[in-house]
Amino acid sequence: EAGVTQFPSHSVIEKGQTVTLRCDPISGHDNLYWYRRVMGKEIKFLLHFVKESKQDESGMPNNRFLAERTGGTYSTLKVQPAELEDSGVYFCASSPLAGLTTGELFFGEGSRLTVL
Amino acid sequence: AQSVTQLGSHVSVSEGALVLLRCNYSSSVPPYLFWYVQYPNQGLQLLLKYTSAATLVKGINGFEAEFKKSETSFHLTKPSAHMSDAAEYFCAVSGITGTASKLTFGTGTRLQVTL
Repeated sequence: EAGVTQFPSHSVIEKGQTVTLRCDPISGHDNLYWYRRVMGKEIKFLLHFVKESKQDESGMPNNRFLAERTGGTYSTLKVQPAELEDSGVYFCASSPLAGLTTGELFFGEGSRLTVL
Repeated sequence: AQSVTQLGSHVSVSEGALVLLRCNYSSSVPPYLFWYVQYPNQGLQLLLKYTSAATLVKGINGFEAEFKKSETSFHLTKPSAHMSDAAEYFCAVSGITGTASKLTFGTGTRLQVTL
């Protein structure tokens, strides 16, 4: 069974440019999450989808970030325009609906974003 | 509100020595607690979890953790370190009445294993 896959693994962009990160969850997982780790700090929650609906987006830093999950399958996270402080590793995770109360999330390898 | 404190951003042990990674949490509701591990160039992998059953939880690769409510701790241990244990370890907490959507992580502890 394929795990959570994220693309690209590393992106280097200039300040003001746009970047789109993609996440393919494990097949059949209705829950999809985005987290971010800024260098040296903790991994922070960004948002949570249940199927195609945003369940909780309280962790999104500002309106430069837009997440979508059309059709309830893969998800994209767009940063536009990117700022220096957006640099970090963006993790995607998924879990089956039954996993909602157990907390076990299956994580991808992360997408490292560097904004110059 | 929930928070996690991991003491020591870097821990170094000799191969065969005891591994002890510390985690203290704060939670206004009974917590679910987790340890995740990230090996080089890989994603986060669940090591073990506490969900209000047995307070001593056994995980993969010989790791275990004990939930101590009185100390609000969930320290991770392994009796004998192996070179392959070198990785970054994250403690996380989730509220028992909530969903898994807001795992709150600590800042991580990088474990180095030396010969």
